[in-house]
Amino acid sequence: EPEVTQTPSHQVTQMGQEVILRCVPISNHLYFYWYRQILGQKVEFLVSFYNNEISEKSEIFDDQFSVERPDGSNFTLKIRSTKLEDSAMYFCASSAGGFMNTEAFFGQGTRLTVV
Amino acid sequence: QKEVEQNSGPLSVPEGAIASLNCTYSDRGSQSFFWYRQYSGKSPELIMFIYSNGDKEDGRFTAQLNKASQYVSLLIRDSQPSDSATYLCAVNTGGWYAGGFKTIFGAGTRLFVKA
Repeated sequence: EPEVTQTPSHQVTQMGQEVILRCVPISNHLYFYWYRQILGQKVEFLVSFYNNEISEKSEIFDDQFSVERPDGSNFTLKIRSTKLEDSAMYFCASSAGGFMNTEAFFGQGTRLTVV
Repeated sequence: QKEVEQNSGPLSVPEGAIASLNCTYSDRGSQSFFWYRQYSGKSPELIMFIYSNGDKEDGRFTAQLNKASQYVSLLIRDSQPSDSATYLCAVNTGGWYAGGFKTIFGAGTRLFVKA
């Protein structure tokens, strides 16, 4: 069964460092998303991406964040200068698109720990 | 501020009983609605999606949508201990015609099924 894959599963980084989280969405999907979940809190939308550009983003997704689809398969989230409060589980998701295919399938997540 | 509200629980039901999970949402323009299951430390797993008013059944799960009341529910029949998890209600705003979606998650309801 097709699945969304994320690497790495766990990333530890020093405050102020840049991190790149990587995702391979399901191959025939057109919409890509990043979410985060701080420990014990709700899943929060960060950004959606379609047709090689951001289509929606939340207030969390400030100038420190960027997304890219560098080739036909990968979808990345970059955090330029990490802060302690960026520590969270980051989930990538993808959906097929179209009016009746909006359900998103999640990867297993990358646990980001900023120290 | 678009919100999705759920009772945090815990909801405790005996094995074999029906578990009823409820969700309300604030954005009247929302078009698609999802229930995800999340085990501790894992990513959200899609259980059901519903777009139209009424009921939608899939195995032991039934999703119910009432757009006039801005209410979504999930019924789990013949509950099993393996159903013990946090159930997340999620609502999409925007649309494929707008180039993408913004998914708002509720905080989740913790369900315990007692053997």
